[in-house]
Amino acid sequence: GEDVEQSLFLSVREGDSSVINCTYTDSSSTYLYWYKQEPGAGLQLLTYIFSNMDMKQDQRLTVLLNKKDKHLSLRIADTQTGDSAIYFCAERGGGFKTIFGAGTRLFVKA
Amino acid sequence: DTAVSQTPKYLVTQMGNDKSIKCEQNLGHDTMYWYKQDSKKFLKIMFSYNNKELIINETVPNRFSPKSPDKAHLNLHINSLELGDSAVYFCASSQGTRGETQYFGPGTRLLVL
Repeated sequence: GEDVEQSLFLSVREGDSSVINCTYTDSSSTYLYWYKQEPGAGLQLLTYIFSNMDMKQDQRLTVLLNKKDKHLSLRIADTQTGDSAIYFCAERGGGFKTIFGAGTRLFVKA
Repeated sequence: DTAVSQTPKYLVTQMGNDKSIKCEQNLGHDTMYWYKQDSKKFLKIMFSYNNKELIINETVPNRFSPKSPDKAHLNLHINSLELGDSAVYFCASSQGTRGETQYFGPGTRLLVL
């Protein structure tokens, strides 16, 4: 079945780059997303990429997609303490469902 | 203006009670969703409605019954609440069903005692 996996924790120093990785199994994925969840809040869409793209850049965020390996990554440049949150990878396959990973908890140390 | 709103934000209730959570979106979207996020932050789709029609109905106990009176509203009624129902329930909406961005509500934190 469809599955999305991500590492549960990542710790970086303020000012460094963060790279959050995600793998998925559905080869018919059309859209891949990164959502951010801050404590006590709902999910906020950060960025998304179509499956026919390799890379997308949006200010400090860079998304890389390796469709052959079904690997998605989110790079946050110049990570700030305000970036501390849970980051969810999600994919939308041929059906109606969006499948979410378990979330990567990013800790940014000052 | 709030795009996707849910009420109540917090809900504390006893086992066996029946409760409802309401969701409204003012984005003009035609598709709405209910997700459950457990204590480990796993997020699972429960239901989805497109133009008031049920299109996703995951393996959810039939104590959970969604109702969509119109495209802008999707409510969730839960009968005979159990301890394991304690979670955060998120409503979301999108325009279309083919992968368009979903916009999430702030969540309803349900605690069953």
